[in-house]
Order: sequence, then C-alpha cells, then structure tokens
Amino acid sequence: QVQLVQSGAEVRKPGASVKISCKTSGYTFTNNYVHWVRQAPGQGLEWMGIINPNGGKTSYAEKFQGRVTITRDTSTSTVNIYLSSLESDDTAVYYCARSIGGAGDYWGQGTLVTVSS
Amino acid sequence: DIQMTQSPSTLSASVGDRVTITCRASQSISGGWLAWYQQKPGKPPKLLIYKTSTLQTGVPSRFSGSGSGTEFTLTVSSLQPDDFATYYCQQYSTYSSECFAQGTKVEIK
Repeated sequence: QVQLVQSGAEVRKPGASVKISCKTSGYTFTNNYVHWVRQAPGQGLEWMGIINPNGGKTSYAEKFQGRVTITRDTSTSTVNIYLSSLESDDTAVYYCARSIGGAGDYWGQGTLVTVSS
Repeated sequence: DIQMTQSPSTLSASVGDRVTITCRASQSISGGWLAWYQQKPGKPPKLLIYKTSTLQTGVPSRFSGSGSGTEFTLTVSSLQPDDFATYYCQQYSTYSSECFAQGTKVEIK
C-alpha cells in the first residue's frame, strides 16, 4: 500500500534551518510528483512547492523562493524539504503529499516544526 | 495568483442534512483542476474529489462535486457523524502559496 512516512518533530531557534524527510513506499517513486504543504496552528493549508522525482525538477511558491529547497533521493524513494532563515511564523505542521495530476492523494502524517528562542 | 474563497466559513448542520460548500476563484480555473479535501483535527487532509467532480477511490458516494470557471461546489447529500470536519478546496491549475481556500468547518447543530 502507498505510504509516505515523515521524519519526526523538530525545534529550531530563529534564523536556523530545518530539513524534513518524506520516505515513500508502495508505488513507483518516479511516477508521481510530490508536494509540500504546511499548516500553522489553527490555520489553513499553505502550498510550498513540488518536485518531479523523475529528473528532480522543482517549483516553489513565490513566498518561499530563496529559502526553500526540495530534493529527492531515488535510491531511497525519499523526498526532502529544507527551509532556512526560520522565523516564529514558520511554526507549523509540514506535510508531504503524493500528487495525482496535481491533487494530493496520499499524505504523510505531518511533521511539527517549532521555531522558538 | 488565483485567490480561492470558500463559503461559509462555518456551517452548523444535523445528521441527515444536505450540505453544500461553495468555492470561488478570482479567475477561471482552466481544465477544472479543482480538488476537495476533508481534514480532521490532528490528521492530514484526505482527498475527496479531484478534477471538479471525480470521486477519489473509497470515498462515499454521498460526496459530490460540481462547477466550472470560477464557482465550484461540494455537496454532501446526507451528512453522517463521520463527516463533521473541516473541508478545503484547492485549485491546481497554477500553483501558489494561496491555492487552497481558507476552509469550511462543518459542526454539529
């Protein structure tokens, strides 16, 4: 069965960086794009970026340009997101999601990132 | 960027009610690339409908989607206890940080 399993919760100080991993299984990794979406406490969903595991091409929301990087490792079927220059507003649950034609059909369990001094 | 707006923000309903949520886009969504998700507290979103009206595998048939251009709707024909949750629409015609609407919370009346 399709699964996306994310790395555990992180705590960072303002100005630091964070890496979150999303290990996929149960399907052919290079057949589906993978999204990253975040959700601040009590707030809605915010799209961050997407990667095509077949070749590694990425696209990012303009809001995050310059401080977000999404990569993939085809040997482990894993997608990673790196977010730098963290601020308190970056405190959120971060989700990866497999894409079917653009919508997210399978989602990771979420990773809480807390940014606090 | 295409801005997405849902209405209402909160909806109070009873089991068995027919419920409709509306999603409006600031410009036409080409190709009908519009999805609906259900989210419960502490859980990731669950895909209900994609490409405006295609029901995701395993989703009950009481959920349906329709619309075109700038106005889309999610209808639950007979609300069940498991349906009390927050619902989000998403356009995926052009990606941006605002491709999701703000959500509609469906509460027990």
